[in-house]
Amino acid sequence: AQSVTQLDSQVPVFEEAPVELRCNYSSSVSVYLFWYVQYPNQGLQLLLKYLSGSTLVKGINGFEAEFNKSQTSFHLRKPSVHISDTAEYFCAVSDLVQGAQKLVFGQGTRLTINP
Amino acid sequence: DGGITQSPKYLFRKEGQNVTLSCEQNLNHDAMYWYRQDPGQGLRLIYYSQIVNDFQKGDIAEGYSVSREKKESFPLTVTSAQKNPTAFYLCASSLLGQQETQYFGPGTRLLVL
Repeated sequence: AQSVTQLDSQVPVFEEAPVELRCNYSSSVSVYLFWYVQYPNQGLQLLLKYLSGSTLVKGINGFEAEFNKSQTSFHLRKPSVHISDTAEYFCAVSDLVQGAQKLVFGQGTRLTINP
Repeated sequence: DGGITQSPKYLFRKEGQNVTLSCEQNLNHDAMYWYRQDPGQGLRLIYYSQIVNDFQKGDIAEGYSVSREKKESFPLTVTSAQKNPTAFYLCASSLLGQQETQYFGPGTRLLVL
């Protein structure tokens, strides 16, 4: 079974600073990776996903992530954060169980932006 | 507007009571999912369904039940057998396939009185 590890449970940064949220996954032949964002008391919203092709994936709100097969990582980055980026971020890998998609989530990283 | 709706937003359960959380989608998705979210634990899969009248247990199905009588609807019942039901419950749906994106509803917060 696949697994995902988000290395930081909380990341505090100052506004307009760069940020990197780290995600490592268990190795597999086919890897489909997702980053979701969750604002307080809301559902999850897709930021970006990697299916194949270019290892640098661009998403919404200025976020991007880089797929690194040799390091089994899929870190999320933003060059300059805004107060509105304060949220919890989840990395997920897609597994296939008895023909059905199963998303395996990391434990989440809480991003706090300080003015 | 296409999307997923969950109701109610907050739900209170008394000891020994069964409660049902609603999830409806108008995205024409075949697959639907229920997740439980606890602080610091990410999301855990309770049940999922790929087709009407069929569903499978996820990782933490004990104390929960579901039905899938219509493509658009996937209600979750939290039974009295679930001893620790306080959590945030999220419903999601997707097209079939390992590469597909799951779209999430706004969630229901269940609290025990």
